[in-house]
Parts: sequence; C-alpha cells; structure tokens
Amino acid sequence: AQSVTQLGSHVSVSEGALVLLRCNYSSSVPPYLFWYVQYPNQGLQLLLKYTTGATLVKGINGFEAEFKKSETSFHLTKPSAHMSDAAEYFCAVRKSSGANSKLTFGKGITLSVRP
Amino acid sequence: NAGVTQTPKFQVLKTGQSMTLQCAQDMNHEYMSWYRQDPGMGLRLIHYSVGAGITDQGEVPNGYNVSRSTTEDFPLRLLSAAPSQTSVYFCASSYRDRQGYYGYTFGSGTRLTVV
Repeated sequence: AQSVTQLGSHVSVSEGALVLLRCNYSSSVPPYLFWYVQYPNQGLQLLLKYTTGATLVKGINGFEAEFKKSETSFHLTKPSAHMSDAAEYFCAVRKSSGANSKLTFGKGITLSVRP
Repeated sequence: NAGVTQTPKFQVLKTGQSMTLQCAQDMNHEYMSWYRQDPGMGLRLIHYSVGAGITDQGEVPNGYNVSRSTTEDFPLRLLSAAPSQTSVYFCASSYRDRQGYYGYTFGSGTRLTVV
C-alpha cells in the first residue's frame, strides 16, 4: 500500500530561518505527491503537488518541494519563515491518476515560528 | 462558488446516538470522500465515492455508512456513536484537471465529540 512518512511531529524555527519539512514515500512506481497546510480550526489547503515533469515544484506562499526518486523523498522547504507559516503540514500520496486511487496522508508536522 | 460545505461545524453526541454529517459540493465533482483527523494520526480515509450510486470503503470504515444518490451530496452516517468516533471529520471532493490529475477541495470540517 502507498504510504508517506513524516519524520517528527513538531518543528520549530525562528522567523526568517529556513523551513525544512521532511516527507518520504513508499512506492514501487513514481507516485503523485502533495503537500497540504492546515491553519488552526480550518480545512486543508493545497500548497503544491508533483505529478510528472519538473522535479522542483513551486507552490503558494513561497514554498517549494523537490521530488527525489533516488531518495524516495519529497521534502518541503521555504527559504525564510514567516510568523503566518505556523500551521500543520501534511504530505500525501496518490498512487495513480485513476479515479479509484486513494489519497493517503502522513501524520502531519506542526510548524512553530518563533519571533 | 461555495465549494465543499459541511454541516454541522460542531456536534456533541451521547454514546449510542446516531447522526448524519452532511457534505455538499457545487462544483460537479465526481469523486467525493470522507476523512477523519485525529492527533498524531493524520487524516484517514473512511469512505469514498467515484460517482453517484457508487461508494467504497476506505481505511477506517467501521461504524460509518455512506450513500451517494446525487453528484452534489455525500452524507456520512454514524449508526451508533462511540467515544472512539470523537474526531474532526473532513469531506473532500475531487476534480480531474486539464492534465488528467486529481485535485482535492476540502470542507472546513465537523468537530464531533461523543460522550
């Protein structure tokens, strides 16, 4: 079964520092990968997605992620953290583009940003 | 566009009671799904539907029923509520974009407490 692993449950950075949130997937074939953000008491919002093509994917709010097949990773980064980035972040995987292919989430990482 | 609308936003049930969580979308999406979110567990798929009249089980279907009589609505029924069903429930609808890949739109969630 498809799965994603998000190491750690909480990351804390200073404002202006690099944000790095890790995600590794298990798959025998290149999957479709997503990062979602959830602000307190809200639903999930898509940050970015990898389907095919360019391995460096740019998303909203200055976030980007790089698909590395050799490392089965899809880590999320942002060069300079902002206070408004404090939220929970979920990595998710979908095996294929078929209608029956399910979206499977990691356990999530809470990002805190210190002034 | 209203997107994906979930009602109610909050609910407290007594053990053994039944209720229906409503989900409606106005985007004519074929694919709809229900997830539950628990601390440290990420989002787990309960049930999903690839179109009107078609439903299937996800990862954690026990204690829940769904039906899909129209494209717009996908209600989730709790047959006999248990404290283990205390959670935040998210409904999502999915569309196929121009490249043939699925994107998801999430509702704002229903926070359910079973006492």
